[in-house]
Amino acid sequence: AQKVTQAQTEISVVEKEDVTLDCVYETRDTTYYLFWYKQPPSGELVFLIRRNSFDEQNEISGRYSWNFQKSTSSFNFTITASQVVDSAVYFCALNDYKLSFGAGTTVTVRA
Amino acid sequence: DTEVTQTPKHLVMGMTNKKSLKCEQHMGHRAMYWYKQKAKKPPELMFVYSYEKLSINESVPSRFSPECPNSSLLNLHLHALQPEDSALYLCASSQEPGTGQETQYFGPGTRLLVL
Repeated sequence: AQKVTQAQTEISVVEKEDVTLDCVYETRDTTYYLFWYKQPPSGELVFLIRRNSFDEQNEISGRYSWNFQKSTSSFNFTITASQVVDSAVYFCALNDYKLSFGAGTTVTVRA
Repeated sequence: DTEVTQTPKHLVMGMTNKKSLKCEQHMGHRAMYWYKQKAKKPPELMFVYSYEKLSINESVPSRFSPECPNSSLLNLHLHALQPEDSALYLCASSQEPGTGQETQYFGPGTRLLVL
């Protein structure tokens, strides 16, 4: 069985602060894929990143960065210099035959 | 272009009504999905179509009936729904089904209210 845990339910920051979202996963597979999605209030799930279990290189895309650590089964996501438009629910997910989502973390960025 | 479209955006229906949700993608993807999402919860998989055939049904009640008329279209027919079926219904598609590495791209969803 697979499991994804996002322990942070809600995070509130002031604009320009950095925010890190934690994601811990469990799987018995040696090959697996991890994802992050963003869901703004409009409802659409927006794909942010996919990472396979063999690639532990950290990735940066603009103000977004991801830290994948296989040793601790974690795939954390950092938003640098947050903006109001970053306010959304963020889901971490693990893919086997289906996407297993974490519970999500609601990020509120205040102006 | 990674666009998945869904219609309608909002739907209100009575428990005796029959309605349909529609999803469309033109990315050449061969897998399409229906998810149900309740407020403040993650999406829950309902159905998966792989090469236009139903491959996964996550024990969904028969009042939800999926249909895949062609590789670009996915419908969800609704009949005799209950108020607890009120939710956001999301459609997604991916290039290849069942490999684990496929990225699913989601549509904007249909917000359904059952009265």
